[in-house]
Amino acid sequence: QVQLVESGGGVVQPGGSLRLSCAASGFTFSSYGMHWVRQAPGKGLEWVAFIRYDGSNKYYADSVKGRFTISRDNSKNTLYLQMNSLRAEDTAVYYCAKDPRITIFGVVIMVFDYWGQGTLVTVSS
Amino acid sequence: AIRMTQSPSSLSASTGDRVTITCRASQGISSYLAWYQQKPGKAPKLLIYAASTLQSGVPSRFSGSGSGTDFTLTISCLQSEDFATYYCQQYYSYPGITFGQGTRLEIK
Repeated sequence: QVQLVESGGGVVQPGGSLRLSCAASGFTFSSYGMHWVRQAPGKGLEWVAFIRYDGSNKYYADSVKGRFTISRDNSKNTLYLQMNSLRAEDTAVYYCAKDPRITIFGVVIMVFDYWGQGTLVTVSS
Repeated sequence: AIRMTQSPSSLSASTGDRVTITCRASQGISSYLAWYQQKPGKAPKLLIYAASTLQSGVPSRFSGSGSGTDFTLTISCLQSEDFATYYCQQYYSYPGITFGQGTRLEIK
């Protein structure tokens, strides 16, 4: 079965950096796009970034553009999120999520069909 | 960015009830809408995509409808395991995905 396991969260000071990892299993990782989605404590969901199955295209939310970098290593079935210049407002549980690679009449269905358990990032001095 | 507004923000209901949650987009998004269920301390679970297509394994008491700017999620006969928070998500402005603020469904 599909499993996504995040790691790398922790406490970091404002302006610091952190790299999150997401280990994938139970599916052909190299065939699917992957996302990061975050959720601040007690708040709603916010999409963060997406990377295509082959890493050829990457997209970011405006709130993290220029500070976060999504990447993947298909030989290791692992997704990454490099977070630099962290701010207090980046404090959240970060989830990796799989794209189902569904198209309907040529329309890409950009949803999240499997999620990891999340890893907490706390930005605080 | 497309803003998604859910109503109500919270509601109380009893098992066996029929409940409807509404999601409104700030501009037309055709049928590019999904619904998720999230329980406390857990990751969200995909329920519906393309406004009305049930994800595999999701009970048929869940249904979705709508297009353009107005959408609904209906649970036809509430079960105890359905008490959770529900989110809508648009993917019309792909890759600029946005979520609604959530609707908390509580036991009356």
